[in-house]
Amino acid sequence: NAGVTQTPKFQVLKTGQSMTLQCAQDMNHNSMYWYRQDPGMGLRLIYYSASEGTTDKGEVPNGYNVSRLNKREFSLRLESAAPSQTSVYFCASSGDRGGEQYFGPGTRLTVT
Amino acid sequence: GQQVMQIPQYQHVQEGEDFTTYCNSSTTLSNIQWYKQRPGGHPVFLIQLVKSGEVKKQKRLTFQFGEAKKNSSLHITATQTTDVGTYFCAVPGTYKYIFGTGTRLKVLA
Repeated sequence: NAGVTQTPKFQVLKTGQSMTLQCAQDMNHNSMYWYRQDPGMGLRLIYYSASEGTTDKGEVPNGYNVSRLNKREFSLRLESAAPSQTSVYFCASSGDRGGEQYFGPGTRLTVT
Repeated sequence: GQQVMQIPQYQHVQEGEDFTTYCNSSTTLSNIQWYKQRPGGHPVFLIQLVKSGEVKKQKRLTFQFGEAKKNSSLHITATQTTDVGTYFCAVPGTYKYIFGTGTRLKVLA
């Protein structure tokens, strides 16, 4: 039972490059989330998916797109990376609406 | 919009001293969650409080939800070096849960 897994663990991009962050959970959870964490800013929600086939914007969605591929997988895409997107990205899942969230290990992204 | 403030931002304590972090909301909350993040790690769920005035204990950790359900506290008795990390509160908001900015705890041996 791996919980929530994320790939890659580290990534360096040049401005304008694109990439997709992958997330998968094996807990049969309905809800999945993407957060970014910047120093002193706590965790900010980028997008979330309440169930398979649905996605909604969070607090900071600009510059990102998501895909809920199936119940297990929720990916985050940066179409044209910018230095302001340098951050640590966490994927999380929860079984119930408002239930405890289980976080993945994170992806540390640097955009130069 | 809803705001959640967490204080203090940083706390350095000697091992064995007590530690408390506070989370304050501008609105009445249906519940509040607490998470711990070790340095270089990911947030890990600690507890959820739902009832007004609720107090829950986990070994040396005591969690309290205010009577008005607008604030909460996490108290650690006799800190240990394993308590090092950042403690976040999370409250229901427009975009699912809103996380506080966290309290970073450093324990000096």
